[in-house]
Amino acid sequence: DTGVSQDPRHKITKRGQNVTFRCDPISEHNRLYWYRQTLGQGPEFLTYFQNEAQLEKSRLLSDRFSAERPKGSFSTLEIQRTEQGDSAMYLCASSRAGDRLWKTEAFFGQGTRLTVV
Amino acid sequence: AQKITQTQPGMFVQEKEAVTLDCTYDTSDQSYGLFWYKQPSSGEMIFLIYQGSYDEQNATEGRYSLNFQKARKSANLVISASQLGDSAMYFCAMRDGGYNKLIFGAGTRLAVHP
Repeated sequence: DTGVSQDPRHKITKRGQNVTFRCDPISEHNRLYWYRQTLGQGPEFLTYFQNEAQLEKSRLLSDRFSAERPKGSFSTLEIQRTEQGDSAMYLCASSRAGDRLWKTEAFFGQGTRLTVV
Repeated sequence: AQKITQTQPGMFVQEKEAVTLDCTYDTSDQSYGLFWYKQPSSGEMIFLIYQGSYDEQNATEGRYSLNFQKARKSANLVISASQLGDSAMYFCAMRDGGYNKLIFGAGTRLAVHP
């Protein structure tokens, strides 16, 4: 399977605990994105990497959130001191480099559904 | 600021009929791309179709076509010959030349009835 892979698929955690999610993009894609999707809404952008560099962060990404992409391959998203409002689907996407940014579609993983109790 | 508006929270269609899902967008950029994604209950976002702002022809991909009206800033998705497996959430999204991220609408839930 050469698609975007996310792990775990589901995570239930107690409020105040830290959680970490992993995303493995399509191998030849150098761009990687994290989105958050709450129930009944479209995905909202969190952050973006080009290779190992984190180039953009949304204001939605509070200080409790941190993302990394060491060596420009897989990425991790960590949430510290989780709150009930963090409950959502966390989606990872990747896209290839292209000469026209607006032309390149993003391919999404199946997401990690986080429930904070 | 970029914005995507999908005004239809839910749509119903009879199997084998065609259905149009509405999408309007707002951007000040001249170069942009419009995308439609399908999200089944399993959660993954499946890319369906792309339309570029400079493309003169409407995009088509199998049973999917995009009715692009640039002056009206609309990019409606047309699904022909609906199938039961088309039941899902459908999201319209946009990316322009200045930003890497996709901006999504709130989505339309499509239910295909036998």
